[in-house]
Amino acid sequence: LAKTTQPISMDSYEGQEVNITCSHNNIATNDYITWYQQFPSQGPRFIIQGYKTKVTNEVASLFIPADRKSSTLSLPRVSLSDTAVYYCLVGAPNSGNTPLVFGKGTRLSVIA
Amino acid sequence: EPEVTQTPSHQVTQMGQEVILRCVPISNHLYFYWYRQILGQKVEFLVSFYNNEISEKSEIFDDQFSVERPDGSNFTLKIRSTKLEDSAMYFCASIGRPQNFNTEAFFGQGTRLTVV
Repeated sequence: LAKTTQPISMDSYEGQEVNITCSHNNIATNDYITWYQQFPSQGPRFIIQGYKTKVTNEVASLFIPADRKSSTLSLPRVSLSDTAVYYCLVGAPNSGNTPLVFGKGTRLSVIA
Repeated sequence: EPEVTQTPSHQVTQMGQEVILRCVPISNHLYFYWYRQILGQKVEFLVSFYNNEISEKSEIFDDQFSVERPDGSNFTLKIRSTKLEDSAMYFCASIGRPQNFNTEAFFGQGTRLTVV
């Protein structure tokens, strides 16, 4: 499994765009990049998944450069409720037998 | 929206006692997992379960732990003789048949286990 590196913490004001970058230098050809969000005392929640270029959904965007050695989760106009830990995971998606491996994640604090 | 349900939400037990944590995964899902998270630490993989057997387990999942899917809907984690260090949030998760390379894992709200 590819190792991932992300900042331990980030602070942002409400209404700002937040970009969290994850490094995954050893990503394999079959690996996808997936981001999860975890609020205190809750289970992780899937945010977005991608393989290359850009993916956007109603919650976030995911930017993946051509070399795929990093990815950036972009949260537009964050609010206080976006305060959470964000995890970047890398792995082959089409096998449920491969368990998700969580790192320490990035603790995002949104302040008014 | 479908969800993974875990019971109880909080369990307090004495050291050395057996506990069973229960999970009801999403009904048509195929892959089931248990994770734990010690307070302030990262989410750690314990075990994965597919086709009625364990498919992978971590070093944490020793002989004190066991999993079962007794009736096709429930998925349980048993800890035979709890230790203080077993105190943690335990999360159950499930994944359906991968579609379009999307293997979104659905996590339950967790069971907070406190061993005293």
